[in-house]
Amino acid sequence: QQPVQSPQAVILREGEDAVINCSSSKALYSVHWYRQKHGEAPVFLMILLKGGEQKGHEKISASFNEKKQQSSLYLTASQLSYSGTYFCGTEESNQGGKLIFGQGTELSVKP
Amino acid sequence: EAQVTQNPRYLITVTGKKLTVTCSQNMNHEYMSWYRQDPGLGLRQIYYSMNVEVTDKGDVPEGYKVSRKEKRNFPLILESPSPNQTSLYFCASSTLPRGELFFGEGSRLTVL
Repeated sequence: QQPVQSPQAVILREGEDAVINCSSSKALYSVHWYRQKHGEAPVFLMILLKGGEQKGHEKISASFNEKKQQSSLYLTASQLSYSGTYFCGTEESNQGGKLIFGQGTELSVKP
Repeated sequence: EAQVTQNPRYLITVTGKKLTVTCSQNMNHEYMSWYRQDPGLGLRQIYYSMNVEVTDKGDVPEGYKVSRKEKRNFPLILESPSPNQTSLYFCASSTLPRGELFFGEGSRLTVL
């Protein structure tokens, strides 16, 4: 079953912050985050493994709360280049291989 | 240049006419997978392969076949395409099943 992302869409001004959430009804082993710009292939952002770690660099970070079966992606001081559709992908097993993506969150950053 | 190459990039075909979408990677990756992308549904995994001769079903395998006879190639086969398989297809590869996925540019398929 696909994880649910929220919000479905968000519009920001440059410099504003945003949070994208990813929730699953099943226990998760890992959460993956990708960004896709219009007309392009998805690009990897980060992977979070079971253990509640928070990862990130510079102004994009993420957390994973395995007890709540959810992950959040934090975009700080957004830039125009952050525009795109963000997908979370979830793994339910530690065996790896099967990755289920959410429906995506469309983020638009305006000047 | 490290890349995942898909062919064809665009295809319009008719119901029932068998087609193959090829995927090749030059990064010596063991893991490869196929996804379809439809508006509002995100990316849905069709099949994945952990290594040569090892393939497994993803979330939406019905109507598709795959094979992994060589490490670099992972073709997607539609034996009898139907209009509901009209979609944008992505192939991806990774060094590990839980590693960074490198995606191809996508193949837009229309079945009439």
